Amino acid sequence: NAGVMQNPRHLVRRRGQEARLRCSPMKGHSHVYWYRQLPEEGLKFMVYLQKENIIDESGMPKERFSAEFPKEGPSILRIQQVVRGDSAAYFCASSLRLAGGLSDTQYFGPGTRLTVL
Amino acid sequence: GNSVTQMEGPVTLSEEAFLTINCTYTATGYPSLFWYVQYPGEGLQLLLKATKADDKGSNKGFEATYRKETTSFHLEKGSVQVSDSAVYFCALPHNAGNMLTFGGGTRLMVKP
Repeated sequence: NAGVMQNPRHLVRRRGQEARLRCSPMKGHSHVYWYRQLPEEGLKFMVYLQKENIIDESGMPKERFSAEFPKEGPSILRIQQVVRGDSAAYFCASSLRLAGGLSDTQYFGPGTRLTVL
Repeated sequence: GNSVTQMEGPVTLSEEAFLTINCTYTATGYPSLFWYVQYPGEGLQLLLKATKADDKGSNKGFEATYRKETTSFHLEKGSVQVSDSAVYFCALPHNAGNMLTFGGGTRLMVKP
């Protein structure tokens, strides 16, 4: 069973460009989470999605950032008009759905390291 | 909301030394508790977890006991190896939500 897949592993963008990060959850997992890790810091939650639904986006910046998890295909984290402060590692995690809508243990992908020049 | 505090690093040890990384939490109820490890240039890997009070999670020689009396989940290993050098994160679910709240991470450096 393949783990959580993320691509690209490294992404370089110039200020003002768009960054598109992809995440394929583990097989059978219907919950996806995105976290951001700034240099030398811990992970901060951004958004929690289930298929075709955004469940919680309380950690997502209000502008320029969006996320989706379509019925088919990977989850996408999209950052428009990137700025240098967006440079970070972005990690995706996935989990099974338990009864009552709760989530099981989260398994993380290798991350995408975004560098904004 | 739920939160977690872990000791700051870096922690530098010699090979075969005893390791303790402290983690304390504040939570509503008794959520599951986790330790994740991040090796250089990689993502997070689940190291161990405990789902209820007094549970002991263990993996690869690491252990942590869920202690509700002291609201702690300290990570221990009796004899560290150079290959254990990594950043260790304590985590718990955020309130009633499913997302995780992480501690700031503790960098462990093991010297031969």
